[in-house]
Amino acid sequence: NAGVTQTPKFQVLKTGQSMTLQCAQDMNHNSMYWYRQDPGMGLRLIYYSASEGTTDKGEVPNGYNVSRLNKREFSLRLESAAPSQTSVYFCASSVAGQTRETQYFGPGTRLLVL
Amino acid sequence: AQSVTQLGSHVSVSEGALVLLRCNYSSSVPPYLFWYVQYPNQGLQLLLKYTSAATLVKGINGFEAEFKKSETSFHLTKPSAHMSDAAEYFCAVSDSGTYKYIFGTGTRLKVLA
Repeated sequence: NAGVTQTPKFQVLKTGQSMTLQCAQDMNHNSMYWYRQDPGMGLRLIYYSASEGTTDKGEVPNGYNVSRLNKREFSLRLESAAPSQTSVYFCASSVAGQTRETQYFGPGTRLLVL
Repeated sequence: AQSVTQLGSHVSVSEGALVLLRCNYSSSVPPYLFWYVQYPNQGLQLLLKYTSAATLVKGINGFEAEFKKSETSFHLTKPSAHMSDAAEYFCAVSDSGTYKYIFGTGTRLKVLA
């Protein structure tokens, strides 16, 4: 049982390049989330998917798109990377998205945009 | 909207000393509250959570937190710090009516030998 997995672990991009961050969970969870973590700012929600087939914007969605490919997978795409998107990105999942639930986090993707 | 404040971005304690990490929230209704820990180069893992049952919540690794509605606080404590407790700790509050958590900015705990 791997929990939440993320690929890649580390990526360097040039400004304007695109890339997709992959996330998968094997816990049969319904809800999935993408966060970014920046020094001194905690975690900020980019997008979330309450259930398969639905996605919603979080606090900082600009410059990102997401796809809930199936119940297991939730990808985050940067269409035209900018230096401001240099960050650590975490994917998380929870059983049904209720606010009392524990969210389970992946190990993160460290992204550097030059 | 909900918000959460963690006082002190860095806290240092001696090994064996009391650990106290502070978290205050803003909410007009009883929230759900969480403490997560992040070890270097890892994701976050749950330490403990308050979901309106007992106000004193016990978590993993000897940590506990007390929900105090009158003070809108949910401070994290551990009686005796261990070197392995060195990590960053995040307080989070649920945003009622949505699926979202609001995270604090984190407190980095350093344990001195």
